[in-house]
Amino acid sequence: DVKVTQSSRYLVKRTGEKVFLECVQDMDHENMFWYRQDPGLGLRLIYFSYDVKMKEKGDIPEGYSVSREKKERFSLILESASTNQTSMYLCASRPTGPGYGYTFGSGTRLTVV
Amino acid sequence: AQSVTQPDIHITVSEGASLELRCNYSYGATPYLFWYVQSPGQGLQLLLKYFSGDTLVQGIKGFEAEFKRSQSSFNLRKPSVHWSDAAEYFCAVAFTTSGTYKYIFGTGTRLKVLA
Repeated sequence: DVKVTQSSRYLVKRTGEKVFLECVQDMDHENMFWYRQDPGLGLRLIYFSYDVKMKEKGDIPEGYSVSREKKERFSLILESASTNQTSMYLCASRPTGPGYGYTFGSGTRLTVV
Repeated sequence: AQSVTQPDIHITVSEGASLELRCNYSYGATPYLFWYVQSPGQGLQLLLKYFSGDTLVQGIKGFEAEFKRSQSSFNLRKPSVHWSDAAEYFCAVAFTTSGTYKYIFGTGTRLKVLA
């Protein structure tokens, strides 16, 4: 079964910490994405990558960075975690082309205290 | 500007009843259209998609959706709801902008199923 795997289901971090969220896909998809999901706001795109070492800002990139050193792995980095970054983070991948849907990971619920 | 709207935040239906979840979009042409389901504590799973051809599309778990160009809608339906269908449902559209494709997700409709 094809899969997008996020390394942690739940994380609790302190304000100011540097936080790494890891995502791995086994489908050889070119495109990978990080979204955050908050009640009433739906999914908001943080960053995406269409190739190894390539990255593009999404709608809400402030306070985040990403890394894609290998095709199957896409990491989200919170440089200095803040309480307003408490959220559900969803990683997804997709082949190139508009007709393809996303495959999502199970999500990481991050709490910053 | 392009947008997608799910007018209903919450819907409650009885088990065995029929279901229709609404999705409307704003775009000058026909976009690519998708429905996803998110079970509690999980990521989103693709239910079905449409971009051309027959306007009634079948998906997984017994769901179907109908594209209506005149109404800019892509409503999700199921003839008989099961308790396991309780989840949050997201409509999404993909459209071209400046030569690239952009996806927008609706804000979701949470479905509650009464026994």
